[in-house]
Amino acid sequence: RKEVEQDPGPFNVPEGATVAFNCTYSNSASQSFFWYRQDCRKEPKLLMSVYSSGNEDGRFTAQLNRASQYISLLIRDSKLSDSATYLCVVNPNTNAGKSTFGDGTTLTVKP
Amino acid sequence: ETGVTQSPTHLIKTRGQQVTLRCSSQSGHNTVSWYQQALGQGPQFIFQYYREEENGRGNFPPRFSGLQFPNYSSELNVNALELDDSALYLCASSVLGGGTGELFFGEGSRLTVL
Repeated sequence: RKEVEQDPGPFNVPEGATVAFNCTYSNSASQSFFWYRQDCRKEPKLLMSVYSSGNEDGRFTAQLNRASQYISLLIRDSKLSDSATYLCVVNPNTNAGKSTFGDGTTLTVKP
Repeated sequence: ETGVTQSPTHLIKTRGQQVTLRCSSQSGHNTVSWYQQALGQGPQFIFQYYREEENGRGNFPPRFSGLQFPNYSSELNVNALELDDSALYLCASSVLGGGTGELFFGEGSRLTVL
């Protein structure tokens, strides 16, 4: 079993749709959590951090459930430019360099 | 742009050869981590360097080795290349101690082993 598991998709949605991605992690001692975005053949870039209280950045909402070891990302009003692979990332401590990545969920937003 | 640069961007090697990949980290960052990303998978942690010493290693054999220099730039060396080493190699810089937890990636070096 992988340490960080994601539904690989692909998710194909029309513009304006709401889409949710899920992620589970196995290390209950994990300390910090993130969503990264990776465009085709590009490097990953931080989308947002994830906090237990939930956090929102525009159309994006991230949520963490420590008891269930579950992380989610909600994208509202999808845009064509949201098409990418979304990577769930978990750190065992505050050392970002030793992050564990999921294999990503691919989203394609269609006109 | 992140300020992390990698070279070369693409290269082709044959089985058994050796390769060196290079990375210049973002100014102000004190750690460099290397990741391997195979097609269709997420990045996998190879190792991290802090203060010119290895500071943690993932599940990779000893033929994967690295260096960090006083200016925080870094090298990844892979000996005795195998076909499965074909992947995108990503360098990421960050701040150990007091950082935000964010990784700043370079654009990667795409290695093909024939």
